[in-house]
Amino acid sequence: EAQVTQNPRYLITVTGKKLTVTCSQNMNHEYMSWYRQDPGLGLRQIYYSMNVEVTDKGDVPEGYKVSRKEKRNFPLILESPSPNQTSLYFCASSLGTTGELFFGEGSRLTVL
Amino acid sequence: GEDVEQSLFLSVREGDSSVINCTYTDSSSTYLYWYKQEPGAGLQLLTYIFSNMDMKQDQRLTVLLNKKDKHLSLRIADTQTGDSAIYFCAESIAAGNKLTFGGGTRVLVKP
Repeated sequence: EAQVTQNPRYLITVTGKKLTVTCSQNMNHEYMSWYRQDPGLGLRQIYYSMNVEVTDKGDVPEGYKVSRKEKRNFPLILESPSPNQTSLYFCASSLGTTGELFFGEGSRLTVL
Repeated sequence: GEDVEQSLFLSVREGDSSVINCTYTDSSSTYLYWYKQEPGAGLQLLTYIFSNMDMKQDQRLTVLLNKKDKHLSLRIADTQTGDSAIYFCAESIAAGNKLTFGGGTRVLVKP
């Protein structure tokens, strides 16, 4: 089954404790992206990747890092999480032809 | 920068038509999308339209694009309770490029 898988789905952590949210897709998509969803703000792009070893900042990259060492994986790293990073995070991938994004189910992160 | 605006909430009776509206600012927008988010789930693409089209129909869904006014709408005919969800409008200037999303419209379908 074609899917985008994120882990963990739910996480409560404390300020400053490094964490990684993993994302994996099995559709051989070149384009992958991370978004955060906050009430009333819609989805805002954090980082995206057009292909392996190619990443670029989105609209809200501060406080986040990503890497794309393999085509299927695109982890999101919070080196020192802060409470303003409490949010619902979505990973998405795309073939890049029509722009249709396939989304994971989301990872709800709470930073205390 | 790009901006996409939607109303926050829409309430509709089952069986009626729903119309969700969206405005965008980037005249370079080439692709315009409607995504649906059900509770606890990610977003799913409902339909999309190229900027050189005025209308696209897909079963119960009709998308209208007024490029001059930068206005996009999604009409859902014969709205069902399963249509209750958050609907996001999005735009991009190129396929595979960054999508800019609106804030989402929460649609509540009442029996």
